[in-house]
Amino acid sequence: EAGVAQSPRYKIIEKRQSVAFWCNPISGHATLYWYQQILGQGPKLLIQFQNNGVVDDSQLPKDRFSAERLKGVDSTLKIQPAKLEDSAVYLCASSGGRPATDTQYFGPGTRLTVL
Amino acid sequence: AQSVAQPEDQVNVAEGNPLTVKCTYSVSGNPYLFWYVQYPNRGLQFLLKYITGDNLVKGSYGFEAEFNKSQTSFHLKKPSALVSDSALYFCAVRPLGGYQKVTFGTGTKLQVIP
Repeated sequence: EAGVAQSPRYKIIEKRQSVAFWCNPISGHATLYWYQQILGQGPKLLIQFQNNGVVDDSQLPKDRFSAERLKGVDSTLKIQPAKLEDSAVYLCASSGGRPATDTQYFGPGTRLTVL
Repeated sequence: AQSVAQPEDQVNVAEGNPLTVKCTYSVSGNPYLFWYVQYPNRGLQFLLKYITGDNLVKGSYGFEAEFNKSQTSFHLKKPSALVSDSALYFCAVRPLGGYQKVTFGTGTKLQVIP
């Protein structure tokens, strides 16, 4: 079974520029998560989708971050404009069962550097 | 609000020795508990989870964890460490019941010395 795919793997941008990340979850997984992992910290949930609906986006900085999941499959996370503190690894994960107990499968992440 | 504490930033252990990576949690009600491992430049990989039932949970690669409700702990253990176990380990928790997000600890770097 193919895993969670993410692209790009690395991205370097200047502050105030825009950037977008793409995620393709495991086939059939209804739940998709975007996490931000700052160096030295654990992953922090930014947004969770159930199919194409948002379940939790309480920690998403909505003034600059946006995410969508069209047709309940692929998802994109966008940052506009980027700040220095957005430098982090952005992880996408998916799960196939009941969200409260099911295992999350993570992609390799996108490492963002904002200069 | 729920939280996870991993009190050790790094754990060093000799190859062949038993290893323990500590985790304590705080949550309202009963918890779901998870351990994930992260290798360099990779995403997190699931190791094991406690949902209910037996307090000793067995997972991938010979790892196990013991749920202790009175001490609110969920320590990760392995009887004999391998050099290939060297990685970053994350404990995570979410409350039982309804939708709640997963909260991860800050991670513990495990270094197995040959």
